[in-house]
Amino acid sequence: RKEVEQDPGPFNVPEGATVAFNCTYSNSASQSFFWYRQDCRKEPKLLMSVYSSGNEDGRFTAQLNRASQYISLLIRDSKLSDSATYLCVVTGYSGGGADGLTFGKGTHLIIQP
Amino acid sequence: DTAVSQTPKYLVTQMGNDKSIKCEQNLGHDTMYWYKQDSKKFLKIMFSYNNKELIINETVPNRFSPKSPDKAHLNLHINSLELGDSAVYFCASSPGRSYTFGSGTRLTVV
Repeated sequence: RKEVEQDPGPFNVPEGATVAFNCTYSNSASQSFFWYRQDCRKEPKLLMSVYSSGNEDGRFTAQLNRASQYISLLIRDSKLSDSATYLCVVTGYSGGGADGLTFGKGTHLIIQP
Repeated sequence: DTAVSQTPKYLVTQMGNDKSIKCEQNLGHDTMYWYKQDSKKFLKIMFSYNNKELIINETVPNRFSPKSPDKAHLNLHINSLELGDSAVYFCASSPGRSYTFGSGTRLTVV
């Protein structure tokens, strides 16, 4: 079983629409959760951290369900510039930085004009 | 100033050669990492170094050896390159929770 699973897409969405995608993780001891964004041929960049209480950053809302080991990302009023691959990421087991990041394979999002 | 810089950006080399990729961070972070992104775009951790101590060494062939001359540098040396080593290699650093990635080195083995 993969450690972090995501639907690879692609998700083709018209500009202005709301899009949601999610991922599941296998290790219940995972401590920290993130969404990263990766543009074509670029490095991953942190989009937002994910907390159990849910958190919002502008048009982006992230949610963590520890019981179900499920993480979601909602993008409202999507823009052409939102087109990218969205990577679900968890850290391990002690939560310390030295454990590194475990990435999902990413969900490819294409916003169409 | 670039926070995490890698060189070279592109590297094309023949099978069997030995090559190195350099990484430097000016963020003062304690831990540095190497990640590999293969042709299927899957990013996977290879190594991490914390104050010159190897902390993680995933199932990476011993042809790959990280070398850290100081806290700000983590270089990746690869011996006897194989076709399957072709990938994008990302360096990253972290003070604990957040991570900053370099722009990647695209390695092509021919």
